Amino acid sequence: NAGVTQTPKFQVLKTGQSMTLQCAQDMNHEYMSWYRQDPGMGLRLIHYSVGAGITDQGEVPNGYNVSRSTTEDFPLRLLSAAPSQTSVYFCASSAVWRGGNGELFFGEGSRLTVL
Amino acid sequence: SQQGEEDPQALSIQEGENATMNCSYKTSINNLQWYRQNSGRGLVHLILIRSNEREKHSGRLRVTLDTSKKSSSLLITASRAADTASYFCATDFTGNQFYFGTGTSLTVIP
Repeated sequence: NAGVTQTPKFQVLKTGQSMTLQCAQDMNHEYMSWYRQDPGMGLRLIHYSVGAGITDQGEVPNGYNVSRSTTEDFPLRLLSAAPSQTSVYFCASSAVWRGGNGELFFGEGSRLTVL
Repeated sequence: SQQGEEDPQALSIQEGENATMNCSYKTSINNLQWYRQNSGRGLVHLILIRSNEREKHSGRLRVTLDTSKKSSSLLITASRAADTASYFCATDFTGNQFYFGTGTSLTVIP
């Protein structure tokens, strides 16, 4: 059972380059989300989606784009990388219940360094 | 920020002792969840407590929720070295967005 799969695990970019972090889940979860984790800051929500074709912004969306063309996939695009985007990125998914979401299942993270 | 805040930031105990960490949040919630993160890994769900529940148990874990004080606590009983990790609370405000606190780093000394 794969759960949530993130690729790549590590990436080094130069300022101004673009890239896509991939996220796929095999649990048929409607809800998917991206977080970034920085030292002393906890996890901050970047974007989320409640189903195919539906996305919305979280706390820190600037500089990032997402799309949700299928239930399984939720890629995160960095349009023009900046050193401030150096972070560890986590994708997470959950089932959606009436009255709130269930537990989040996390990928193992993608460590991004922008030089 | 809508993040919760965990307290203490760091906790060091001897194996066999109990560990208690607290979470405070700012607005009304649907549910509150606790997660564990081992160094360099993704987060793993521990327990979920709904806004209409006051206490929940799962194995050596006990979670309480006080919605009037907007706070929750996680108790780990009879701690083990394998419990060494960071612990985060996450609050579900809108049903679509989870907000995480900054975490408590727990060290259990064998």
